[in-house]
Amino acid sequence: GESVGLHLPTLSVQEGDNSIINCAYSNSASDYFIWYKQESGKGPQFIIDIRSNMDKRQGQRVTVLLNKTVKHLSLQIAATQPGDSAVYYCAEARSYNTDKLIFGTGTRLQVFP
Amino acid sequence: DTAVSQTPKYLVTQMGNDKSIKCEQNLGHDTMYWYKQDSKKFLKIMFSYNNKELIINETVPNRFSPKSPDKAHLNLHINSLELGDSAVYFCASSQLPTENYGYTFGSGTRLTVV
Repeated sequence: GESVGLHLPTLSVQEGDNSIINCAYSNSASDYFIWYKQESGKGPQFIIDIRSNMDKRQGQRVTVLLNKTVKHLSLQIAATQPGDSAVYYCAEARSYNTDKLIFGTGTRLQVFP
Repeated sequence: DTAVSQTPKYLVTQMGNDKSIKCEQNLGHDTMYWYKQDSKKFLKIMFSYNNKELIINETVPNRFSPKSPDKAHLNLHINSLELGDSAVYFCASSQLPTENYGYTFGSGTRLTVV
């Protein structure tokens, strides 16, 4: 399943499928990007980050892709599980040495059996 | 042990009242933040403090006054509460550079103004 984060706030996928959550960021000067996961009743939780000198970074079951040309960021989740159900946010900053992180609008991921 | 803890978790109060939310982090981070999450789940930075010094004040009404007695604590005091202040307020902390772990957030304080 795939979403455009700003225009389709909910993404529904079947358990075991791969998920792709998209984010269009606004500031071409942004140098650092983070994906956060927020479960109901909890604070945002760090998933993975990437600096602008990279176009791909992998973690455990997650991959972040960065396309600076079109100011687009995506989060790919492999073999989506029920525990992945949450709201996902991309966030941008001028640098990794930042004290100001700007969040996108979020995409809700729903995983059904 | 909770890394970033906020109290209270829920706060219901009447318009016009003054209330405070407390935040403490035990991570040894130098920088702390307050974020506001509105009913549409949009997260917006309000303030950041580095070693007790105000760094960012994002055009927040001056009814909101953060206070940092030491670098492990950042409290938020709100005067003359309004209906529009109803939201979830998140405290966070970080140690620059933030690469590989970003900010650590608390679990939030849900403020309801009636």
